[in-house]
Amino acid sequence: AQSVTQLDSQVPVFEEAPVELRCNYSSSVSVYLFWYVQYPNQGLQLLLKYLSGSTLVKGINGFEAEFNKSQTSFHLRKPSVHISDTAEYFCAVSDHGDSSYKLIFGSGTRLLVRP
Amino acid sequence: GAVVSQHPSRVICKSGTSVKIECRSLDFQATTMFWYRQFPKQSLMLMATSNEGSKATYEQGVEKDKFLINHASLTLSTLTVTSAHPEDSSFYICSARTLGVRYYGYTFGSGTRLTVV
Repeated sequence: AQSVTQLDSQVPVFEEAPVELRCNYSSSVSVYLFWYVQYPNQGLQLLLKYLSGSTLVKGINGFEAEFNKSQTSFHLRKPSVHISDTAEYFCAVSDHGDSSYKLIFGSGTRLLVRP
Repeated sequence: GAVVSQHPSRVICKSGTSVKIECRSLDFQATTMFWYRQFPKQSLMLMATSNEGSKATYEQGVEKDKFLINHASLTLSTLTVTSAHPEDSSFYICSARTLGVRYYGYTFGSGTRLTVV
């Protein structure tokens, strides 16, 4: 079964500093990868996704992620964070060898941006 | 873009009663919907996958008789928490898979905060 690992439960960073949130997934032939952001008591908002093609994916709010098949990673980056980026971030994977198309989530990383 | 409307956003119910949560796809047909449960400060745990017109597929450890899922149409899926108890209090989120080369992905409802007293 597919699994997703987000090693960092919380990442504190100062405003305007760069940040990387790490995500690793269990290996599979074909995977679709997603990053979502969740603000308190709200649903999930899609930041970006990798389906195929270029391994560098650009998303909303200045975020980007790089798909690395050899390292089974999909780390999320932003060159300069804002206070408003404080939220919970989830990496998710869908294994397209699995006909159920389930979307499996990592444990989440809380990004805490300090002034 | 694709929108999934989830209602209610918050519900408080007495122990032993049942609660129904609805998810509607507003501008697309959702053949597959997913139901998740999220405990405070934790990740989303997949409870079940519902396919229109067929029985839901539940994840291991999820009680089918407690969490009834119905996906009777291409735009509506419901989750009914039967005989709710305080331990069922949680944040429930639905998701629908959207198809198409450009739009492939998963759209989420805004969630339902269930409190059982």
